[in-house]
Amino acid sequence: AQSVTQLDSHVSVSEGTPVLLRCNYSSSYSPSLFWYVQHPNKGLQLLLKYTSAATLVKGINGFEAEFKKSETSFHLTKPSAHMSDAAEYFCVVVPWGGYNKLIFGAGTRLAVHP
Amino acid sequence: DAGVIQSPRHEVTEMGQEVTLRCKPISGHNSLFWYRQTMMRGLELLIYFNNNVPIDDSGMPEDRFSAKMPNASFSTLKIQPSEPRDSAVYFCASSPMGQDSPLHFGNGTRLTVT
Repeated sequence: AQSVTQLDSHVSVSEGTPVLLRCNYSSSYSPSLFWYVQHPNKGLQLLLKYTSAATLVKGINGFEAEFKKSETSFHLTKPSAHMSDAAEYFCVVVPWGGYNKLIFGAGTRLAVHP
Repeated sequence: DAGVIQSPRHEVTEMGQEVTLRCKPISGHNSLFWYRQTMMRGLELLIYFNNNVPIDDSGMPEDRFSAKMPNASFSTLKIQPSEPRDSAVYFCASSPMGQDSPLHFGNGTRLTVT
């Protein structure tokens, strides 16, 4: 069975410092993986996706994530946080043949302080 | 494109009343999803349509919930009768068909049942 674990429920950083949001997955095959962001009172917006091509994936707003099969990880990073990055972030696993059954992580709430 | 459009944005109703949530997917997307988001359970898939046909409704909590998609540009989620435990944010999402096609989410309807 596939699963996804976001290792931190809350992360707090200062503006201008790096961001690291951690995600581990469990799958018997090489899955597709997404990161979504949800700002307050908004729907989820796709940040980036991994689909078995390049292991380092660049997304919108300066975010990127690296797929590491040996570590079963797909951590989200950004070199320098902006105040506007404060939001909730979801790591998502796409089961093979079950793209209608996305598996969402519990979410990581990112706070950015001036 | 205007994205996925949901209405209303907020709905407050009394227990026992009927509630209807509406969704207009992105034009050309042939998959439509209804999700529910709560603090306790996170994001839950309620039902999934493909080409206007309900494919998987195993996530619908009980018979009080029903969903329809009469055409490619409109879907409704109805709760009758509503109960306080139905209070949540309900999201509609659409996607072009395909294993690696991400979902595009609306801004949600925040439902409060008193």
